[in-house]
Amino acid sequence: EAEVAQSPRYKITEKSQAVAFWCDPISGHATLYWYRQILGQGPELLVQFQDESVVDDSQLPKDRFSAERLKGVDSTLKIQPAELGDSAMYLCASSLPRGRSHEQFFGPGTRLTVL
Amino acid sequence: QQQVKQSPQSLIVQKGGISIINCAYENTAFDYFPWYQQFPGKGPALLIAIRPDVSEKKEGRFTISFNKSAKQFSLHIMDSQPGDSATYFCAASSGVGAGKSTFGDGTTLTVKP
Repeated sequence: EAEVAQSPRYKITEKSQAVAFWCDPISGHATLYWYRQILGQGPELLVQFQDESVVDDSQLPKDRFSAERLKGVDSTLKIQPAELGDSAMYLCASSLPRGRSHEQFFGPGTRLTVL
Repeated sequence: QQQVKQSPQSLIVQKGGISIINCAYENTAFDYFPWYQQFPGKGPALLIAIRPDVSEKKEGRFTISFNKSAKQFSLHIMDSQPGDSATYFCAASSGVGAGKSTFGDGTTLTVKP
């Protein structure tokens, strides 16, 4: 069964350091999402890609966060510099284009701890 | 402003009982209402979803009830089992624009054997 892959699964870093997360969506899924999930809360969308284009990054803290999906397949989310408040689970999800399906498939997430 | 409010925050049910989780939304442009199930250490997985043109959808032991006028929808888990113990999230998305999904804060369900 096809799955969304994410790495690393866990990341511990010190504040002011740079961190990067990688996501490989299900083959053929044109839409890719990055979510942040703080403990005890639901996922919050950070950025949404349609192929290689950003279609929604309204909640992305652009002063420290960046995301790219250069070839419209895998994607990287970067935080520089990391802050204590960035400790959370970072989830990647993918889906077919909205006109074909609403279902989002989530990866296992990257648990980030900022010390 | 939270657009999707979920309750209760936690729920304990005996095996064989009915689990009910409720959500309320504000944006009348929402046109897709999924429920996700999340186990510890895993990403959320789609459980069941409904569109506002129907009032109920059932898949096995899981049923969504939808009340468009009240802007509320709920998840019912019949014959709850210990394996259903997980965190459940409701969500809502709109066909306008990119179709961004907004999630509730989750309900932690514990089914006691």
